[in-house]
Amino acid sequence: DAGVTQSPTHLIKTRGQHVTLRCSPISGHKSVSWYQQVLGQGPQFIFQYYEKEERGRGNFPDRFSARQFPNYSSELNVNALLLGDSALYLCASSLPGTGVSSPLHFGNGTRLTVT
Amino acid sequence: SQQGEEDPQALSIQEGENATMNCSYKTSINNLQWYRQNSGRGLVHLILIRSNEREKHSGRLRVTLDTSKKSSSLLITASRAADTASYFCATDGKGGGNKLTFGTGTQLKVEL
Repeated sequence: DAGVTQSPTHLIKTRGQHVTLRCSPISGHKSVSWYQQVLGQGPQFIFQYYEKEERGRGNFPDRFSARQFPNYSSELNVNALLLGDSALYLCASSLPGTGVSSPLHFGNGTRLTVT
Repeated sequence: SQQGEEDPQALSIQEGENATMNCSYKTSINNLQWYRQNSGRGLVHLILIRSNEREKHSGRLRVTLDTSKKSSSLLITASRAADTASYFCATDGKGGGNKLTFGTGTQLKVEL
């Protein structure tokens, strides 16, 4: 079975630009979460979506938004990019969506560099 | 913000030795998970321990949880060069769900 796939793998953008990152979950997984990992730190929670609804949001500005599609794939959008947005963006999927924590299955991430 | 702190930040051992890393967290949890990350890649789930469990084993991994001290430890026995990676603990909140708070990680290097 295919794991969680993310695209693109690498991306270079300029300050002020907009970026869209994409994620396809494992087949049958209805929950998708997004995490930001800055170099040298642990991942930080950005969003969780389950059944196309936002079920959780981390401490990130409104420049960050996401959505989930009927096939459970997801997009993360970041507007007005700042240098500090440079990071590895990780998508994770899981079976249960809410109420119960379960193991997350991560993709290999999108490495975003903002210059 | 990072909920957990792993200790040590970096650990270098010889193949065949045991590796122990510790994690402390701040708030009440439903469960605690450990993940491994090879350089620049996604995280791989290793083990989940619930708040009412004290110890759990999976292959060469042994995890303990002390909720009174808000701490956990991960022991890797008979380490191999392939175990070289960063290891993170992650906690959920009492509300559950997939909003995990990760620690700062331990970088483990296993030398031949």
